[in-house]
Amino acid sequence: DAKTTQPPSMDCAEGRAANLPCNHSTISGNEYVYWYRQIHSQGPQYIIHGLKNNETNEMASLIITEDRKSSTLILPHATLRDTAVYYCIVEGGYSTLTFGKGTMLLVSP
Amino acid sequence: DSGVTQTPKHLITATGQRVTLRCSPRSGDLSVYWYQQSLDQGLQFLIQYYNGEERAKGNILERFSAQQFPDLHSELNLSSLELGDSALYFCASSVASRGRAFFGQGTRLTVV
Repeated sequence: DAKTTQPPSMDCAEGRAANLPCNHSTISGNEYVYWYRQIHSQGPQYIIHGLKNNETNEMASLIITEDRKSSTLILPHATLRDTAVYYCIVEGGYSTLTFGKGTMLLVSP
Repeated sequence: DSGVTQTPKHLITATGQRVTLRCSPRSGDLSVYWYQQSLDQGLQFLIQYYNGEERAKGNILERFSAQQFPDLHSELNLSSLELGDSALYFCASSVASRGRAFFGQGTRLTVV
């Protein structure tokens, strides 16, 4: 399975954009980048995913570098309710949905 | 509401006992995943079933077993329980064997 590397924690001011980086240098051609988040002890929640093109939905934007070795999740206007652990996951081929330690994003007033 | 239902929500049992956790996937989803989340281990992938067949296996102990039934619901059986098995157990489902997954709210197991 391709491994991902994320910073353990990040801070963001409410109303500002939160940019969460992820490195996945061993990603293979048929593997997708997925982002999930987990608020406190709730079940993880899907945010967005992409293969090689940038993606946007109502929750966030996903920017994937041209070489696909890294990506950035962007929450355009972070709110207090966005405080959560964010997981970057590479999945596809023979790999399954395996979570790492993620990034703890703290949004402050 | 993700559409994935897990029962029970809470379970307290004694060491050495056996319990069964149940998961009903979203309507139409063929794949079911099980995860364990304890305080010091994060989300650990246990096992995945797709349309009744085991598809992938993670760090699942031999004391644990799972199955997916013809109606696609799944059960995770935990036996000879130890204090260290206390954790949140999550089930997730997806339409295909991989892709976007929807998670239930978990079963909190406490072994005393």
